Amino acid sequence: GNSVTQMEGPVTLSEEAFLTINCTYTATGYPSLFWYVQYPGEGLQLLLKATKADDKGSNKGFEATYRKETTSFHLEKGSVQVSDSAVYFCALSASSGSARQLTFGSGTQLTVLP
Amino acid sequence: NAGVTQTPKFQVLKTGQSMTLQCAQDMNHNSMYWYRQDPGMGLRLIYYSASEGTTDKGEVPNGYNVSRLNKREFSLRLESAAPSQTSVYFCASRGTSPINEQYFGPGTRLTVT
Repeated sequence: GNSVTQMEGPVTLSEEAFLTINCTYTATGYPSLFWYVQYPGEGLQLLLKATKADDKGSNKGFEATYRKETTSFHLEKGSVQVSDSAVYFCALSASSGSARQLTFGSGTQLTVLP
Repeated sequence: NAGVTQTPKFQVLKTGQSMTLQCAQDMNHNSMYWYRQDPGMGLRLIYYSASEGTTDKGEVPNGYNVSRLNKREFSLRLESAAPSQTSVYFCASRGTSPINEQYFGPGTRLTVT
């Protein structure tokens, strides 16, 4: 079956530091890949997505590249801000079936200190 | 647009009580989902509905039932709540394109004592 393995947290960084959160996946076919962010007390919001190999998703300074050869979708940001403190989830969407269920990683808690 | 809405936001139940969590979306999406979120485990799919009139089990369906009332609404019922069902429950919906992402509601925090 499909699975997503995410870097264990929590991660604590100083403002303006470089961020990497590792994500690798196991899936059949050609899944779509997503990063979702969850701010305290809220639901999940889509941060970025990539739908095929070598696609780069980007949003709000965050980037991730769909690497089929290494089955990875690592999240990066060059300079984090206090407002980026949240939980980040990597997810994949099944490549077949009408409902395209999401499979999530366990989440990585990021805290950015001023 | 309100997006995906969920009621209630918080609920405390005693073991054995029943309740229904409500979810509605106003984006004309075909697919809807119920997840539970537990610490260190990410989100796990309970049930989903690929289209109006259909429902299917996800990864952790035991102890739950669902109803796709119409295209907008998808409810989750706990018939006899257990402490193991203490969790945060999220509803989500998705449009018809294969690459569409899911949109999530704000969640319901349920405690079973």
